[in-house]
Amino acid sequence: DAKTTQPNSMESNEEEPVHLPCNHSTISGTDYIHWYRQLPSQGPEYVIHGLTSNVNNRMASLAIAEDRKSSTLILHRATLRDAAVYYCIEVVLGGSEKLVFGKGMKLTVNP
Amino acid sequence: NAGVTQTPKFQVLKTGQSMTLQCAQDMNHEYMSWYRQDPGMGLRLIHYSVGAGITDQGEVPNGYNVSRSTTEDFPLRLLSAAPSQTSVYFCASSPSDRPRETQYFGPGTRLLVL
Repeated sequence: DAKTTQPNSMESNEEEPVHLPCNHSTISGTDYIHWYRQLPSQGPEYVIHGLTSNVNNRMASLAIAEDRKSSTLILHRATLRDAAVYYCIEVVLGGSEKLVFGKGMKLTVNP
Repeated sequence: NAGVTQTPKFQVLKTGQSMTLQCAQDMNHEYMSWYRQDPGMGLRLIHYSVGAGITDQGEVPNGYNVSRSTTEDFPLRLLSAAPSQTSVYFCASSPSDRPRETQYFGPGTRLLVL
């Protein structure tokens, strides 16, 4: 089972920042947080991942709480192309080497 | 690079038929995996491989077989198709044997079993 919890859905407006929350209250010190997104009728796409400190890349920023029990994916300027299902995934160090996808969170971007 | 490619894009089978879903990657990735996605659900891991000659079961392996004879290819075999296997199947690869790195997903194969 997925170890993270996300809202079922969120709405945002085009060209505005979007903050997508994720709770992972049972995370251990060595588990990473990954974010993927899935556009309609496509395979998932890697967005970003992090362990403790905040991370930035060309797609998004990831803010991880100091206690690591939650994190927020930040899209600085939403576009219509960002409308997708976003998955927050806790990757367990060692063991079965797999990504456990939950149901994700559907982001709607309004023009 | 073509990335991760999957064939066919769409397939209709009758119950009891067998078939192989093809997956190939040209990025020299060691880790490859197969997922299935049912309507309104997240992805569930079927089988995975950490390198040529090494495969292991994921969350929902029953009814599927895999083999990994080369780094590039990771076919998924349905031995005797059942309606419960109607789903969208995604193949993915990763540049190391740990999924902390980026996983690259293929475009998917839509399978309908009648």
